[in-house]
Amino acid sequence: GAGVSQSPSNKVTEKGKDVELRCDPISGHTALYWYRQSLGQGLEFLIYFQGNSAPDKSGLPSDRFSAERTGGSVSTLTIQRTQQEDSAVYLCASSLVLMAGGRGETQYFGPGTRLLVL
Amino acid sequence: AQSVTQLGSHVSVSEGALVLLRCNYSSSVPPYLFWYVQYPNQGLQLLLKYTSAATLVKGINGFEAEFKKSETSFHLTKPSAHMSDAAEYFCAVSDDTGGFKTIFGAGTRLFVKA
Repeated sequence: GAGVSQSPSNKVTEKGKDVELRCDPISGHTALYWYRQSLGQGLEFLIYFQGNSAPDKSGLPSDRFSAERTGGSVSTLTIQRTQQEDSAVYLCASSLVLMAGGRGETQYFGPGTRLLVL
Repeated sequence: AQSVTQLGSHVSVSEGALVLLRCNYSSSVPPYLFWYVQYPNQGLQLLLKYTSAATLVKGINGFEAEFKKSETSFHLTKPSAHMSDAAEYFCAVSDDTGGFKTIFGAGTRLFVKA
């Protein structure tokens, strides 16, 4: 079946503009995650969804970042008033929830959206 | 809070040599541990994971990792490197507060010399 897809694959924007990044998880996966990967850095956790709710938003860097998920499927990560430090690859992943608490689940990653803020 | 430390941001080996990528973790509860690989211009994919069963875990492409509680380590090994193993490798630990969050290390880029 289809894997996790993300769009756009690349986005160039000007400082101060808003951007929306989209993630389509694997069908049937109830958990969805957003990460940020900056050059030379590891993966920085941003937020995860279980169904449509986001129990843990602790990783969002500032109130300019928000995310939503509708219908237990597609998710959108929005960055308002973008800054140059927001330039990074934004990765989305999804997983089934078969294990209690979801701790041991394998995450399936999309190809990422490369964001460049000029 | 949990953390993951990967020793060495870059590792270089010759083709056919042993691959050893080091990972140490901290967790207040028995951990679930993962190794993911990111090949050039591709997304991350799971290599292997430890979920409290056997301490020696075998993964794809001939990789394996051993969970050592006393050393809080989960090092990744492969007996003989192939050119196709050149990639970035990430060690990760599941959140110990009962949620779905996963903490990733900074990554180790593996170079394989002919």
